[in-house]
Amino acid sequence: DIVMTQSPDSLALSLGERATINCKSSQSVLYSSNNKNYLAWYQQKPGQPPKLLIYWASTRESGVPDRFSGSGAGTDFTLTISGLQAEDVAVYYCQQYYNIPPTFGQGTKVEIK
Amino acid sequence: EVQLVESGGGLVQPGGSLRLSCAASGFTFSGYWMTWVRQAPGKGLEWVANINQDGSEKYYVDSVKGRFTISRDNAKNSLHLQMNSLRPEDTAVYYCARAAPVISTSWWGYWGQGTLVTVSS
Repeated sequence: DIVMTQSPDSLALSLGERATINCKSSQSVLYSSNNKNYLAWYQQKPGQPPKLLIYWASTRESGVPDRFSGSGAGTDFTLTISGLQAEDVAVYYCQQYYNIPPTFGQGTKVEIK
Repeated sequence: EVQLVESGGGLVQPGGSLRLSCAASGFTFSGYWMTWVRQAPGKGLEWVANINQDGSEKYYVDSVKGRFTISRDNAKNSLHLQMNSLRPEDTAVYYCARAAPVISTSWWGYWGQGTLVTVSS
């Protein structure tokens, strides 16, 4: 199974600051035949189901604010929130869908300082 | 509007069984892979099982193989998870989710609100 490791486990930032969440996979999730990275990011607020933010490592889901961006390739990925808003307080998860079983990172909790 | 509504959760004793259901609407259900994902209280997300469009392909996380069965009824736009031989470690909120079009392993763009399964004596 591909192990997904996120860092940090939590971070507290002031409103308007940039949040950076890292995700590392135990093997590459880049599919050479189509040059796509099989990596998604989700946001989960308390008491709610996860919400898809990013897929193919950097494609923003429709309706997701453009302050959310994804980058990276192979085994190392980043979710960036440019200009943290109060409504961004949540736990963020990366997920690989390169193979079965699909696996998630352990989550990164984002709070306002 | 895509909607996924889970039902069937509850309190069950270890060794017992439960059948979860997910009612889908707002899209052509028979055109998509479907998934169950669970989340233990205060913990992260864990994929449980996948099923393809016609139910001929099914995949499970190792910890539930031989105990859980995923199925679907395309005529009724419903997804199911039969859970047998339940263990305390199966306690979680179970989410039904829809995969992206066409591809088998994918992200999940639509999720239900979840149903809580508690396994305890």
